[in-house]
Amino acid sequence: QQQVKQSPQSLIVQKGGISIINCAYENTAFDYFPWYQQFPGKGPALLIAIRPDVSEKKEGRFTISFNKSAKQFSLHIMDSQPGDSATYFCAAKESGGGADGLTFGKGTHLIIQP
Amino acid sequence: DGGITQSPKYLFRKEGQNVTLSCEQNLNHDAMYWYRQDPGQGLRLIYYSQIVNDFQKGDIAEGYSVSREKKESFPLTVTSAQKNPTAFYLCASRTGLAAETQYFGPGTRLLVL
Repeated sequence: QQQVKQSPQSLIVQKGGISIINCAYENTAFDYFPWYQQFPGKGPALLIAIRPDVSEKKEGRFTISFNKSAKQFSLHIMDSQPGDSATYFCAAKESGGGADGLTFGKGTHLIIQP
Repeated sequence: DGGITQSPKYLFRKEGQNVTLSCEQNLNHDAMYWYRQDPGQGLRLIYYSQIVNDFQKGDIAEGYSVSREKKESFPLTVTSAQKNPTAFYLCASRTGLAAETQYFGPGTRLLVL
């Protein structure tokens, strides 16, 4: 059972364009939603994260939009650059401070064309 | 430098062999994790540990074993029972139960000869 569904699987965007990656979840106990960025052969690194009490969070060119009623959240990369080419994972964690790991989406392979 | 180190970067396993992947952290984090990454599959949790001498199975623990004898170390053994071990293995840690952010190591790629 896939608890976090991520789309698209791959995405090609022109330099300067907006990259949009979407995730949907079913578990209403999730209350922390991070996005990770992973370059080939490296471990994922936290990019930005949001809690359900806000609908949007922006850090530089990266924005998370969160729709609690639809149980969806998305990552927007503004003015996309070739250096943004990487695999992006959305994830979610339940409330209550449980020590078990994050639940990840399957990832989106993003290519920014120069 | 503070962080998580994994070794080796590449590991080759022969048929029927057990191999151990190392994970060390100097972040003083309580919780540590092992994930397996396959192309198009995302990250799947193998084992996790909240404190020394305690660990719990994740979603895909069969064919793997772990130990947590020291706070800073969480080695993963891929046993001969794991029939499809070829994957990228990621170790992660976080401060404790109240913390959400997981920090990942650089990974170990395991290949079968």
